[in-house]
Amino acid sequence: NAGVTQTPKFRVLKTGQSMTLLCAQDMNHEYMYWYRQDPGMGLRLIHYSVGEGTTAKGEVPDGYNVSRLKKQNFLLGLESAAPSQTSVYFCASTPPETGGGGYTFGSGTRLTVV
Amino acid sequence: DQQVKQNSPSLSVQEGRISILNCDYTNSMFDYFLWYKKYPAEGPTFLISISSIKDKNEDGRFTVFLNKSAKHLSLHIVPSQPGDSAVYFCAASPRGGAQKLVFGQGTRLTINP
Repeated sequence: NAGVTQTPKFRVLKTGQSMTLLCAQDMNHEYMYWYRQDPGMGLRLIHYSVGEGTTAKGEVPDGYNVSRLKKQNFLLGLESAAPSQTSVYFCASTPPETGGGGYTFGSGTRLTVV
Repeated sequence: DQQVKQNSPSLSVQEGRISILNCDYTNSMFDYFLWYKKYPAEGPTFLISISSIKDKNEDGRFTVFLNKSAKHLSLHIVPSQPGDSAVYFCAASPRGGAQKLVFGQGTRLTINP
């Protein structure tokens, strides 16, 4: 009964380094999302996907790329990390037509860029 | 441009009393409104929602009220319990599409024994 699993849970990067955050869900959900949470800002949508092979930009996509080659996985990439990308990243998935109440979130990845 | 706003960063309530969390929104295209609850080191979990065609939805100790004319919603928790201590996020979603949620900043609720 894993739900949504995010790896890694913690990471420290140096400015300019690259990394990939992995999100895996075992609920056969169509839709997947990447959010970032910053103090005083709530959760903001970075990128999302409505199905295997499809991705789209959210509210704050700059500096990030994503891929959804398999239905169960949604990858978030940082090509050249910047201190402004220090944040807690949450992945979520949902089946369609739930009005937003069907989200299952992962436990988050805390990323620090120094 | 914050489309969903929670103006109270924190709220402290005595155990057994009512907790009222507030949220304002600006986008008239929002069709569903939701509350998510978050404990430290965990992801948010869905708590309760309301469609724009209703003005009240109740689930046990939790009730959400929607005032469309004022673009305001509130979450009432009664009676409040220590386990309710968490950060509560208000969120909104437009009709159909990719169900992208727009979140407020969150309110940290502390229930005091």
